Amino acid sequence: AQTVTQSQPEMSVQEAETVTLSCTYDTSENNYYLFWYKQPPSRQMILVIRQEAYKQQNATENRFSVNFQKAAKSFSLKISDSQLGDTAMYFCAFMNPYNNDMRFGAGTRLTVKP
Amino acid sequence: GAGVSQSPRYKVTKRGQDVALRCDPISGHVSLYWYRQALGQGPEFLTYFNYEAQQDKSGLPNDRFSAERPEGSISTLTIQRTEQRDSAMYRCASSLGTGPTNEKLFFGSGTQLSVL
Repeated sequence: AQTVTQSQPEMSVQEAETVTLSCTYDTSENNYYLFWYKQPPSRQMILVIRQEAYKQQNATENRFSVNFQKAAKSFSLKISDSQLGDTAMYFCAFMNPYNNDMRFGAGTRLTVKP
Repeated sequence: GAGVSQSPRYKVTKRGQDVALRCDPISGHVSLYWYRQALGQGPEFLTYFNYEAQQDKSGLPNDRFSAERPEGSISTLTIQRTEQRDSAMYRCASSLGTGPTNEKLFFGSGTQLSVL
């Protein structure tokens, strides 16, 4: 099965600044989906952004954007104009669309400082 | 239903007892997933189903853990002879599972299991 690696256990950023969270994955598939999920202290899982591997254009959702480097198997999340409410755990995830297998990384704890 | 429903929300049990955790996915969702999540950690894959067929159970820690989804809808994760190390949040998720465009997981609120 595919693996997902998040190498930054914790990160912090000043309010209004920009931060980038890293994610790499390992797969032999050519087509797949990638996701970033946010988990605030309430422990809900909230989808932040998704990327389809066959699309070259990087996905964006308001202040959130990704840098998808398919050859490098890298999928980083950029948060612009960070807000206090962005403080949460962030998980990168990989889905194989051929069998619906979905795996998560270990997470990055992001703290936005006032 | 409107979302993925898990019950019970909290379960406290004594070591050695069996527990059954229930997941009711969104109606019509093909794929159903079980994850275990320790505090401050990522969701650890346990197993998943497409319809009633268990696709991959390689994440189940040992043979005390089993899961079923007999009619392709509700699923039960059973832990026999619970041990303290089984204490964690057990999360269920479901997805349409029918192909590309808007594929994503919908998560339940989880069952917090405490084994005393």
